[in-house]
Amino acid sequence: AQRVTQPEKLLSVFKGAPVELKCNYSYSGSPELFWYVQYSRQRLQLLLRHISRESIKGFTADLNKGETSFHLKKPFAQEEDSAMYYCALAHNAGNMLTFGGGTRLMVKP
Amino acid sequence: EPEVTQTPSHQVTQMGQEVILRCVPISNHLYFYWYRQILGQKVEFLVSFYNNEISEKSEIFDDQFSVERPDGSNFTLKIRSTKLEDSAMYFCASSTDRVGTEAFFGQGTRLTVV
Repeated sequence: AQRVTQPEKLLSVFKGAPVELKCNYSYSGSPELFWYVQYSRQRLQLLLRHISRESIKGFTADLNKGETSFHLKKPFAQEEDSAMYYCALAHNAGNMLTFGGGTRLMVKP
Repeated sequence: EPEVTQTPSHQVTQMGQEVILRCVPISNHLYFYWYRQILGQKVEFLVSFYNNEISEKSEIFDDQFSVERPDGSNFTLKIRSTKLEDSAMYFCASSTDRVGTEAFFGQGTRLTVV
């Protein structure tokens, strides 16, 4: 069965500091990984997905199959990055997302 | 920009009562989903719906749950006889294609069973 683990419930950094939100997964097949974000009082929305290999709002994430990780990184955090971040996995044959527990990122001024 | 809309935003119901949570997915989307999040826990998949039938469901989605797309625009989740442990935030989502594409989420309905 697939599983997604986000080891940190809370990550607090100062503005301008680098950020890394950790995500590890277990899945026997070929996974599709996503990062979703939920800003205060807003809905859950897609931030990025590994197949796109894109940078969104300065965030990047690289799928490391050897370490089964999909960590989210940003070199210089901004206050507006403060939000709840969820890592999610979709398996090829299925039609569902498995979410990690989420990490609350707080960027202090 | 089109959005997934859920009503009501908050529902309080007595244990044993039936509730219907309503969702209006984005109009050209073909795949529809319900997820729930119990306070302090993970977002959990309940069910996916495509071509007027359930395409996948989790073990949470037992016989007390049902989904329906009654009129081509609404997508509903019915809980037949609510239990205290059904208290959660329920999220509807939709996508143009299977889950590898972006899923658009509604703002959620907070269900409180008393």
